[in-house]
Amino acid sequence: EAGVVQSPRYKIIEKKQPVAFWCNPISGHNTLYWYRQNLGQGPELLIRYENEEAVDDSQLPKDRFSAERLKGVDSTLKIQPAELGDSAVYLCASSLGAGANEQFFGPGTRLTVL
Amino acid sequence: KNEVEQSPQNLTAQEGEFITINCSYSVGISALHWLQQHPGGGIVSLFMLSSGKKKHGRLIATINIQEKHSSLHITASHPRDSAVYICAVPSNAGNNRKLIWGLGTSLAVNP
Repeated sequence: EAGVVQSPRYKIIEKKQPVAFWCNPISGHNTLYWYRQNLGQGPELLIRYENEEAVDDSQLPKDRFSAERLKGVDSTLKIQPAELGDSAVYLCASSLGAGANEQFFGPGTRLTVL
Repeated sequence: KNEVEQSPQNLTAQEGEFITINCSYSVGISALHWLQQHPGGGIVSLFMLSSGKKKHGRLIATINIQEKHSSLHITASHPRDSAVYICAVPSNAGNNRKLIWGLGTSLAVNP
């Protein structure tokens, strides 16, 4: 069974440019998470979807970040415009449901903003 | 004080050694996750457990709900076990089903 797929794996952009990350969760997983992980820190939840509904986006910087999961499967996370401080690893995870259900993580996208 | 604390923060071992990583938490939980993160970012879920003990290959995880403590053991450690091991528990505060993450234990196994 395929795991969580993310692309690209690495992205280098200049500040003020837009960037988008894509995630394909494990088939059948209705809960999808986007995390940001800064160097030396634990992942920080940006947004959680239950199917196509964003049920927790309290930590998403809405002035420049947006996300969508239109058909309740794949999801994209966008930053526009990117800032130097956005350099981090962006992780996507999925689970059968929220709460105590086991989360399965993708390989992450390492973003470097120059 | 973090709600999830891990020890040690860093650990260096020789190949073949038995390794123990500890996790203590202060919140009520229904389950606890152990995850592994290699350099490069990818996170792999190792265990999710709510009681007792689970074993997968050379990895063993135990949890004591009453003491709010869990341990991750690696038997016959190998250099490929070198990674950051993270303990995480779900927070049910309000409607936010977030994971509360420990800061991780960085393990280096030398040949």
